[in-house]
Amino acid sequence: SAVISQKPSRDICQRGTSLTIQCQVDSQVTMMFWYRQQPGQSLTLIATANQGSEATYESGFVIDKFPISRPNLTFSTLTVSNMSPEDSSIYLCSVEALGRGAKNIQYFGAGTRLSVL
Amino acid sequence: DAKTTQPPSMDCAEGRAANLPCNHSTISGNEYVYWYRQIHSQGPQYIIHGLKNNETNEMASLIITEDRKSSTLILPHATLRDTAVYYCIESAGGTSYGKLTFGQGTILTVHP
Repeated sequence: SAVISQKPSRDICQRGTSLTIQCQVDSQVTMMFWYRQQPGQSLTLIATANQGSEATYESGFVIDKFPISRPNLTFSTLTVSNMSPEDSSIYLCSVEALGRGAKNIQYFGAGTRLSVL
Repeated sequence: DAKTTQPPSMDCAEGRAANLPCNHSTISGNEYVYWYRQIHSQGPQYIIHGLKNNETNEMASLIITEDRKSSTLILPHATLRDTAVYYCIESAGGTSYGKLTFGQGTILTVHP
């Protein structure tokens, strides 16, 4: 399994500012993912962050708005840049790690609840 | 877009079995069915997954039809803490299954 810590757990920010969210995992993992969950909605993948390569962004998400760093196999950051109220969401980090039966399981952090005023 | 179809909501009495259906009629031969749940204000939690055989673990059982076009997640003795949104997801198996595409899921409410 994998234990994921996200910081901050919540924040209230002013429009036009940026927030960097940290994701720390307790074991080395190759694949890390960042998701967004808008109010009352399901999760949407923002990007896949693999160590040693540039993040791969999903349609509708761009690097200038959501820059991602992946400096090593246990850590990643997501920055929400030039925020507007529409960025108010829960941002979740997930990792793929070995679970029961040596099968890969995706584990999620508790998320960062962001409110933009 | 999500390729699975689930009822938007279900109710279950505490102590009874909760049976959550999922249709995945376009599932490919190498795609597994994964179930996750999200309890309010928490990140999604893995429950179980399977390819074609039925699976059971300490949390739930997964029954997959022979044609693999649908499945049912069974919580044998639902408790109030099982109230959550349950997501059924198709994803390629193997050594890495990559991204998950979440649909709207089923809101399961367990009542006393």
